[in-house]
Amino acid sequence: DVKVTQSSRYLVKRTGEKVFLECVQDMDHENMFWYRQDPGLGLRLIYFSYDVKMKEKGDIPEGYSVSREKKERFSLILESASTNQTSMYLCASSYPGQGDTEAFFGQGTRLTVV
Amino acid sequence: DQQVKQNSPSLSVQEGRISILNCDYTNSMFDYFLWYKKYPAEGPTFLISISSIKDKNEDGRFTVFLNKSAKHLSLHIVPSQPGDSAVYFCAAIPQTGANNLFFGTGTRLTVIP
Repeated sequence: DVKVTQSSRYLVKRTGEKVFLECVQDMDHENMFWYRQDPGLGLRLIYFSYDVKMKEKGDIPEGYSVSREKKERFSLILESASTNQTSMYLCASSYPGQGDTEAFFGQGTRLTVV
Repeated sequence: DQQVKQNSPSLSVQEGRISILNCDYTNSMFDYFLWYKKYPAEGPTFLISISSIKDKNEDGRFTVFLNKSAKHLSLHIVPSQPGDSAVYFCAAIPQTGANNLFFGTGTRLTVIP
């Protein structure tokens, strides 16, 4: 059974804090993704990684950075948290290759920035 | 620019009836389409998918239809059950790239007992 685990279910941080969201997957997937979900906007891609130490910007990378030092772990970093980064953050992983490869999601981290 | 669109934010259906959720896309390079189901405070879970070379895929109560010429797909749930109440996201994967999923904005389905 594929498991994608996010380190926290709920987080409350102050404006200006540096925030780390951690994600670990146990299926040896090459691809890992960070999305945020907001009402009326669906899931929007922040960053993704297709290999260790590789990263690509998604649709909304501003204010975020990522780190992938090991294949199983993909971290999302908010360098200086702001209130507009209050959201549900979702990590996902998948095999590479074309088509026929759904992404598996973690349970999500609800981040509130006050 | 939203490449995958779900124009109905919500849908209510009586238990036992059919639920039809719709999705439109603009990018003809999308190769593979998926539906995810999401309960509150949980991550999305994969429901069903369809390749662009097919027009229908069925899995139990769930059927996905793809109309490539119209760039439209739909998810049919029959019969609908109260446990189906959730937000449903349509997603698409392009032919090239790292299997990045492009998501729609979601449709909240409520099945009324």
